[in-house]
Amino acid sequence: SQQGEEDPQALSIQEGENATMNCSYKTSINNLQWYRQNSGRGLVHLILIRSNEREKHSGRLRVTLDTSKKSSSLLITASRAADTASYFCATDPSAGKSTFGDGTTLTVKP
Amino acid sequence: GAVVSQHPSWVICKSGTSVKIECRSLDFQATTMFWYRQFPKQSLMLMATSNEGSKATYEQGVEKDKFLINHASLTLSTLTVTSAHPEDSSFYICSARGAGRRQHYSNQPQHFGDGTRLSIL
Repeated sequence: SQQGEEDPQALSIQEGENATMNCSYKTSINNLQWYRQNSGRGLVHLILIRSNEREKHSGRLRVTLDTSKKSSSLLITASRAADTASYFCATDPSAGKSTFGDGTTLTVKP
Repeated sequence: GAVVSQHPSWVICKSGTSVKIECRSLDFQATTMFWYRQFPKQSLMLMATSNEGSKATYEQGVEKDKFLINHASLTLSTLTVTSAHPEDSSFYICSARGAGRRQHYSNQPQHFGDGTRLSIL
């Protein structure tokens, strides 16, 4: 069963705008990871946030984690056409294997 | 950064053929490798987890005799789809996770290969 669930399923914005994606999960976690997948390719790791962290930044990416609400958000600022991809969150509860959500498909229009 | 090479990237073959997919970690030792299957516009479905030198752990509903996994070294894992049929057509992706020096194992991200698109005619 899916642990992480992303919201929205699809998001379309103009270049330069910010994009926010949300992820909810059900059980306790060690960490939560965000990945990007370009069409027909493998996943690229973006950010890992640990359960004792609340916010993390990496370039134009900002991830928040609220363990009380079992949710996380990924913010991409000043989006570019090259950011067009599917974004997945993955939870890592315990046994070392991640469970992926269904992803958010982001389209950034030039 | 950590690089995982997956080969081949695309396979088209006849029904009944066995297909082997390789997953290599190029610049780190992968204590654990994962094999996923992904259907169009869907998420990744974990098929099995393999640790070097031990038998793979398969997820419920995945036939271990159909999908043979070998993790013979810290840098190589293979997935063999035996006697493939059209319903096995899919996008297969491997990932690898290293032990890490300071961080706990569970806080190591997965590094993914580029996937193999398998089409069975």
